[in-house]
Amino acid sequence: DVKVTQSSRYLVKRTGEKVFLECVQDMDHENMFWYRQDPGLGLRLIYFSYDVKMKEKGDIPEGYSVSREKKERFSLILESASTNQTSMYLCASVRLAFSDEQFFGPGTRLTVL
Amino acid sequence: GDSVTQMEGPVTLSEEAFLTINCTYTATGYPSLFWYVQYPGEGLQLLLKATKADDKGSNKGFEATYRKETTSFHLEKGSVQVSDSAVYFCALRLNTNAGKSTFGDGTTLTVKP
Repeated sequence: DVKVTQSSRYLVKRTGEKVFLECVQDMDHENMFWYRQDPGLGLRLIYFSYDVKMKEKGDIPEGYSVSREKKERFSLILESASTNQTSMYLCASVRLAFSDEQFFGPGTRLTVL
Repeated sequence: GDSVTQMEGPVTLSEEAFLTINCTYTATGYPSLFWYVQYPGEGLQLLLKATKADDKGSNKGFEATYRKETTSFHLEKGSVQVSDSAVYFCALRLNTNAGKSTFGDGTTLTVKP
């Protein structure tokens, strides 16, 4: 069964901490994505990656960075967490074929105090 | 730019009622269209998809038809169950944008017994 996993389901951090969210997919997908989901705002794309070490900014990259050192792993980094980054974070991956759907992880609910 | 507009929610129905969630899109190319479902506390998962005009996607009693002339992909189910309570997202994907998808804001469906 294909799978996207995220390192934590729930995370609580303090303002100013550096936070790492990890995502791993086992489907050999080329493209991976990080979204945040907030009530009333839908899904917003933070960053995506179309190859190892390649990344592009999404719609709301400010305050975030990413790393993709291996094809199966895509990390989201909050350099200095702030309370307005409290949110649900979703990772997804997809093959290049444009008829294919994205596969999502279960999400990480991050609370920044 | 590309966009997806979904019927605003929340939607509350009684069990066995008929469901329609409207979705219209604007795209610069010829997209593939998707409906995703998100159950409480989980990530999104594909419900159904259609990749060309007049295609009908179907799954678990849900259906949607790709209407190019009206740029629509409305989701329907003849008889909803309590277990269908979830958030539903309409999305499009073009073959020119590195696997990115454009999502609607989501429609929350609650089905009461």
